[in-house]
Amino acid sequence: QVQLQESSPGLVKPSETLSLTCTVSGGSVSTYYWSWIRQPPEKGLEWIAYIFNSGNTNYNPSLKSRVTISVDTSKNQFSLKMSSVTAADTAIYYCALFPGGYNTGWGQGTLVTVSS
Amino acid sequence: QAVVTQEPSLTVSPGGTVTLTCGSSTGTVTSTHYPYWFQQKPGQAPRTLIYDTSNRHSWTPARFSGSLLGGKAALTLSGAQPEDEADYYCVLSYRTSYVFGPGTKVTVL
Repeated sequence: QVQLQESSPGLVKPSETLSLTCTVSGGSVSTYYWSWIRQPPEKGLEWIAYIFNSGNTNYNPSLKSRVTISVDTSKNQFSLKMSSVTAADTAIYYCALFPGGYNTGWGQGTLVTVSS
Repeated sequence: QAVVTQEPSLTVSPGGTVTLTCGSSTGTVTSTHYPYWFQQKPGQAPRTLIYDTSNRHSWTPARFSGSLLGGKAALTLSGAQPEDEADYYCVLSYRTSYVFGPGTKVTVL
C-alpha cells in the first residue's frame, strides 16, 4: 500500500508563502492522482488541488489564485505552495492519493499555523 | 462552487442501522459525481471507506454500503459497532474539482 508523509515548516507568518512537501513510498508520483486536502481545527475537510501524469493539475476555484501544486519525480515527491496566507489558512494539511478509486492513501497530516 | 450537504449528526444503537446522505446544491447526485465516503476518528487522518458510489476497500467492513438514494449518495451502516463512532465525510466530483460535505458525526449509543 502507498505511504505518504508530509513535511512543512509548522509556523508561517501572515502574508508569506506556505510550502509543503509530500514524500511517497510504495508507488510512483508519475502514476495516479495526488491531492492536497486540508482541515481547519475542529472543522471539515477541504480539497485544495490535485496533480496527475506528472504535470496535469486542477485546483479548488476558491484557492486557485494562491496555490500551485507540482511534482518532483526524481524524489518521488509532490508539493504545494500557497501564497499570501492568513490565519484562515491555519489547518492540518494532508497529502493523499486521491482520487484513485481502489488505489488510496493518506498522510498522517501536518499542522500549519499562520501567526506572527 | 457547488455546496455538498450532509446531516450534522446521527445516533444509532449498537447493532442498529443508520443511513447517512450526501446531497448536492446542483441537483441530483449521480454516479458521475463519483461519490467517496471517508471515516475519520479523533486525532486520525481520514480513511477511505467507499469509492465510486458503492465500492468498498479491502479494509471496509461489509456492514458499510454505499448507494444512490433519493437523489443523493448514501452510506448505510447495518449492524453498528461501537468502533464505528466517528465523523463521516462524503466528497463529490464536479468535473475538474472536488467538494467535500461538512461531515456527519455518528454516535453509537
